[in-house]
Amino acid sequence: SAVISQKPSRDICQRGTSLTIQCQVDSQVTMMFWYRQQPGQSLTLIATANQGSEATYESGFVIDKFPISRPNLTFSTLTVSNMSPEDSSIYLCSVGVGRAWEQYFGPGTRLTVT
Amino acid sequence: AQSVTQLGSHVSVSEGALVLLRCNYSSSVPPYLFWYVQYPNQGLQLLLKYTTGATLVKGINGFEAEFKKSETSFHLTKPSAHMSDAAEYFCAVSDQGQGAQKLVFGQGTRLTINP
Repeated sequence: SAVISQKPSRDICQRGTSLTIQCQVDSQVTMMFWYRQQPGQSLTLIATANQGSEATYESGFVIDKFPISRPNLTFSTLTVSNMSPEDSSIYLCSVGVGRAWEQYFGPGTRLTVT
Repeated sequence: AQSVTQLGSHVSVSEGALVLLRCNYSSSVPPYLFWYVQYPNQGLQLLLKYTTGATLVKGINGFEAEFKKSETSFHLTKPSAHMSDAAEYFCAVSDQGQGAQKLVFGQGTRLTINP
């Protein structure tokens, strides 16, 4: 397994601003993922972040809106840019480990955009 | 494309009763299957997983699930519900054929336990 922390745990932001969310893992991992969980909904994958390469974005998500950094094997950031109220969600990072690539999740960042 | 269907967005049982949360999947190749639990204001916690081998898998907190290929199902059960089991439960599938890295999640089932 892996222990994952996220900062901040929650934030309230103004429309048009940007927020960077940090994800720290207690061990070196290859695969990191960023998800969005809108209120009362399931998880939607935003992108996959591998160290040393560009993040791979899912349909409907673009790098200009959600730039991701992955500087090393234990850390990643997701920025939510030019925020609107529709971006109000929980953002979760996860890591994939093991033969089956089971994923372990951070506690999430609860973002409210006003 | 893979998909996961969880039957029942909300399940309510009495304390001590059987818990049954249903999950059906579609996958073109033998999948890896997972159940996660999310307590309020927390991230997801892995309950159990099926990869290969024994089709009945046991997880944490007394939960277990059975992989039934013929029914494309992976239902989650617990013999006796406890108040602390109240949470949101997500079934997820990954596709071995595509390297198994990505998970596809069901819509979730909110479990309520009545005293």
